[in-house]
Amino acid sequence: AQSVAQPEDQVNVAEGNPLTVKCTYSVSGNPYLFWYVQYPNRGLQFLLKYITGDNLVKGSYGFEAEFNKSQTSFHLKKPSALVSDSALYFCAVRGRNTGTASKLTFGTGTRLQVTL
Amino acid sequence: DGGITQSPKYLFRKEGQNVTLSCEQNLNHDAMYWYRQDPGQGLRLIYYSQIVNDFQKGDIAEGYSVSREKKESFPLTVTSAQKNPTAFYLCASSIGGLWDTDTQYFGPGTRLTVL
Repeated sequence: AQSVAQPEDQVNVAEGNPLTVKCTYSVSGNPYLFWYVQYPNRGLQFLLKYITGDNLVKGSYGFEAEFNKSQTSFHLKKPSALVSDSALYFCAVRGRNTGTASKLTFGTGTRLQVTL
Repeated sequence: DGGITQSPKYLFRKEGQNVTLSCEQNLNHDAMYWYRQDPGQGLRLIYYSQIVNDFQKGDIAEGYSVSREKKESFPLTVTSAQKNPTAFYLCASSIGGLWDTDTQYFGPGTRLTVL
């Protein structure tokens, strides 16, 4: 079975400071990893995904994520946080060759609060 | 939220009633999904469909039913058998097929409240 852990329910950061939202995963074999963002009462928006290749993946709105196979982690980062980045962030994983459905397993989410 | 629409945005149901949530996409995607979101629990998969006239149960299918008669539509019915239906329901779609790298795109959601 595959699983995702987001160890922090909430992350607080001041605007202009770097931010990190943590994600670790468990899956058989090599993973496909995704980050989504959710604003209040809205659907999830896709930010970025890791498929293969470069361990540093760049995505939308200046976000990036670093895949670390030895630590089974896929932390989301941004060099300089904005107040508008405040939202709920979800990490998701899918194992390779798991069958015919693109079934994702989601973490429980991390709320990012960016303050002035 | 792209080319995926969900209606209504808010839905109130009395106990014992069945209600149907609408999901439509114009992305020409083959695969569609229904998730339930509860506070602190992330997203849980209810049903998914890879192609028209075919669908499979997800992790929490009990008390729910779906149909997939058209490629662009994947309605979800919350039946009276669902013990705790109050939640935020999200529909998603993806290109589908056997693409492991497939990205799912989400609709804006429907918030269902049982009175």
